[in-house]
Amino acid sequence: GQQLNQSPQSMFIQEGEDVSMNCTSSSIFNTWLWYKQDPGEGPVLLIALYKAGELTSNGRLTAQFGITRKDSFLNISASIPSDVGIYFCAGRETSGSRLTFGEGTQLTVNP
Amino acid sequence: DGGITQSPKYLFRKEGQNVTLSCEQNLNHDAMYWYRQDPGQGLRLIYYSQIVNDFQKGDIAEGYSVSREKKESFPLTVTSAQKNPTAFYLCASSMARDYEQYFGPGTRLTVT
Repeated sequence: GQQLNQSPQSMFIQEGEDVSMNCTSSSIFNTWLWYKQDPGEGPVLLIALYKAGELTSNGRLTAQFGITRKDSFLNISASIPSDVGIYFCAGRETSGSRLTFGEGTQLTVNP
Repeated sequence: DGGITQSPKYLFRKEGQNVTLSCEQNLNHDAMYWYRQDPGQGLRLIYYSQIVNDFQKGDIAEGYSVSREKKESFPLTVTSAQKNPTAFYLCASSMARDYEQYFGPGTRLTVT
């Protein structure tokens, strides 16, 4: 089935730094979702994107739906220790199709 | 306080036994999903249901079964036919098929 390439796989940063991660697809998507998962917990929805070029913020998080419709980006500004976790992207090709998940970006923030 | 509950949080079973994982939602969502998560991997879809008394296989349905007798409930049975059942199981729901999915806290199943 459809696969998403999420990068980087892991990031080690200092508190206060900005973070960027992205997902790419070989086909066009009409929906991009970004989730955060804490250890041993279920993923929590951070941002949902439905239009090419859309830029949406949620506090220090900003996500963009790429204009080619084959990629999406998540930025975290001024990272803090509680940003630690795994960030997943998920995308949907067309109406009625399944969500496909990336393999996640493990973020570590050093105080 | 609306949400999705999964129970139990941790489950231990002997090989050869069937086990049922519970998933309940009070969000009035029509669609529900079961995913499996293994270390270092993304989520893989086991089964999903868009309406009561109807469900479809996902990408890795072999060795699993589900039922959807009530809108609020979507239990997953891991049968003895599932060759590698030890994993973290996540239940999710959405208002309808094309809407955002919201996840429960997960059940970690260990089979020895």
